[in-house]
Amino acid sequence: NAGVTQTPKFQVLKTGQSMTLQCAQDMNHEYMSWYRQDPGMGLRLIHYSVGAGITDQGEVPNGYNVSRSTTEDFPLRLLSAAPSQTSVYFCASRTPTGETEAFFGQGTRLTVV
Amino acid sequence: GENVEQHPSTLSVQEGDSAVIKCTYSDSASNYFPWYKQELGKRPQLIIDIRSNVGEKKDQRIAVTLNKTAKHFSLHITETQPEDSAVYFCAASKTDSWGKFQFGAGTQVVVTP
Repeated sequence: NAGVTQTPKFQVLKTGQSMTLQCAQDMNHEYMSWYRQDPGMGLRLIHYSVGAGITDQGEVPNGYNVSRSTTEDFPLRLLSAAPSQTSVYFCASRTPTGETEAFFGQGTRLTVV
Repeated sequence: GENVEQHPSTLSVQEGDSAVIKCTYSDSASNYFPWYKQELGKRPQLIIDIRSNVGEKKDQRIAVTLNKTAKHFSLHITETQPEDSAVYFCAASKTDSWGKFQFGAGTQVVVTP
């Protein structure tokens, strides 16, 4: 049972490049989310999904796209990277049954130069 | 939407002393309040949580209290040890929030021997 797996762990992009951060979970969780973590700002929600085919925007969605074709996978796409997107990105999953903890991936440290 | 404020942003304690971190939330419908610990370079991991039908919960050296009337909750760590040094995040969610959490900005705890 691997839990939540993110790839890559580190990435450097040039301004204007695009890329996809991968997230997969093997716990059959309906709920999945992407957060970005910046110093002094905690974890801010980018996009979230409540099941395959259903996604919605969070607090800071601009510049990012998501899709959810399967329960297991929830990729995050950066369309045209900007230095302001330099951050640590975390994917999380959670069961929809009751109030329960979110399980986080190991994070992706992204630097945009 | 929900807003969670967390204080202090940094906390330095002597080994063996107690540490207290406080959070306030704005949405009276929030009913689940987890605390996450994040060690340097690692993913956030749940250390304790509390639901709105409970006023206090304890797990060894860690306890959480909830005051629904005042809309605040606190993390208490007793007999601190160097391995307690980390960033701690509080969060709030509610039943119809589709798995989304609102996180506090985090508290950097440093335990000095």
